[in-house]
Amino acid sequence: EVHLMESGGGLVQPGRSLRLSCTASGFTFGDYDMSWVRQAPGKGLEWVSFIRSKAYGGTAEYAASVIGRFFLSRDDSKSIAYLQMNSLTPEDTAIYYCTRVSELNGYASYDHWGQGTLVTVSS
Amino acid sequence: DIQMTQSPSSLSASVGDRVTINCRASQTISNYLNWYQQKPGKAPKLLIYAASSLQSGVPSRFSGSGSGTDFTLTISSLQPEDFATYYCQQSYTTPFYTFGQGTKLEIK
Repeated sequence: EVHLMESGGGLVQPGRSLRLSCTASGFTFGDYDMSWVRQAPGKGLEWVSFIRSKAYGGTAEYAASVIGRFFLSRDDSKSIAYLQMNSLTPEDTAIYYCTRVSELNGYASYDHWGQGTLVTVSS
Repeated sequence: DIQMTQSPSSLSASVGDRVTINCRASQTISNYLNWYQQKPGKAPKLLIYAASSLQSGVPSRFSGSGSGTDFTLTISSLQPEDFATYYCQQSYTTPFYTFGQGTKLEIK
């Protein structure tokens, strides 16, 4: 069974950093692209970042709202994706979800999600 | 960036009703459109991908249609467990897969 578990969330002061982890199980992690989506309290879903599988370069992409501050990496030997978040602001307060990117017949979707980890940025 | 706009933003309906939720893209996305369901306090769940393909395990009362810029999610006969918030997502511009703002489906 596919399982994704986020960790590392918590309360952090503005300007500080936090690293989130997404630990995967139940599938060959290295074969998949992975993505992070966040949801501010009472708001909708916002795509944050994406990392390709090593077969496609292992490179990452970012939403305009986090580019230059957030960095996504992966350790396929441990089946973990890391989201390093720097220079955090109150606008980064959200539940952060890790997702698996599925490609079926050329169509991408997020077929599995973790339970989410809450990041609160406040002084 | 491709903008996704859902309508309505909220909707009240009764068990057994047929419900449709709309999603419009700011430019053509062919059929690169997904639908998700989110219940309070839970992670979203994939319902439909490629505009009309039902994800494994999703009840057949859910269906999707559309192509180009206009899409629809239909629930043929609402069940109590269907009251949730629904999001569309375009998967046309790899990997910048933007979401609609959501449609909250409430019990009348």
